[in-house]
Amino acid sequence: DGGITQSPKYLFRKEGQNVTLSCEQNLNHDAMYWYRQDPGQGLRLIYYSQIVNDFQKGDIAEGYSVSREKKESFPLTVTSAQKNPTAFYLCASRSHPAEISGNTIYFGEGSWLTVV
Amino acid sequence: AQRVTQPEKLLSVFKGAPVELKCNYSYSGSPELFWYVQYSRQRLQLLLRHISRESIKGFTADLNKGETSFHLKKPFAQEEDSAMYYCALGNQGGKLIFGQGTELSVKP
Repeated sequence: DGGITQSPKYLFRKEGQNVTLSCEQNLNHDAMYWYRQDPGQGLRLIYYSQIVNDFQKGDIAEGYSVSREKKESFPLTVTSAQKNPTAFYLCASRSHPAEISGNTIYFGEGSWLTVV
Repeated sequence: AQRVTQPEKLLSVFKGAPVELKCNYSYSGSPELFWYVQYSRQRLQLLLRHISRESIKGFTADLNKGETSFHLKKPFAQEEDSAMYYCALGNQGGKLIFGQGTELSVKP
């Protein structure tokens, strides 16, 4: 069954700790994205990657880091520098970064991160 | 700067009434615009994109470059249309950003 898998679905973190959210896709997509979804603020872009070993900052990259060592994987690390990390995080992917109009973005089910 | 604005957080209509969800954008280049929908407890999914000029589930959206708008319309709302709707703007560099979202509630 092809698709995007995010894990864990629920994660609790103590203040001062880093935590990594996993995003894996078996759709052979080139581009992958991380968004943060907060009530009333919609989806805000954290990082995106168009090809392996390359990624760009989105609008709210501070306090986050990513890597893209493999085409199918785009993990997001929420660092202790992120001042308000409690949120719902969504990963997405699509096939051709240079043809955004010609291909659909697929979303994962999301990960809930709570800082305790 | 690339920006998407959905001015209404909540839109409530009765079944059978017309619906218009507003979306305005800011982008200096040639925009690629989309509408995404999120039904309760489901993943975000593409509803329609401006380049295909298609109608999905009775919804249509026309890109108005003069007004920098991409409003989503449906002539007769159904209860199953109740969901969160997000307008999205993409560029040729691969960046894709979303608006704040509008919750549509269709009452019987």
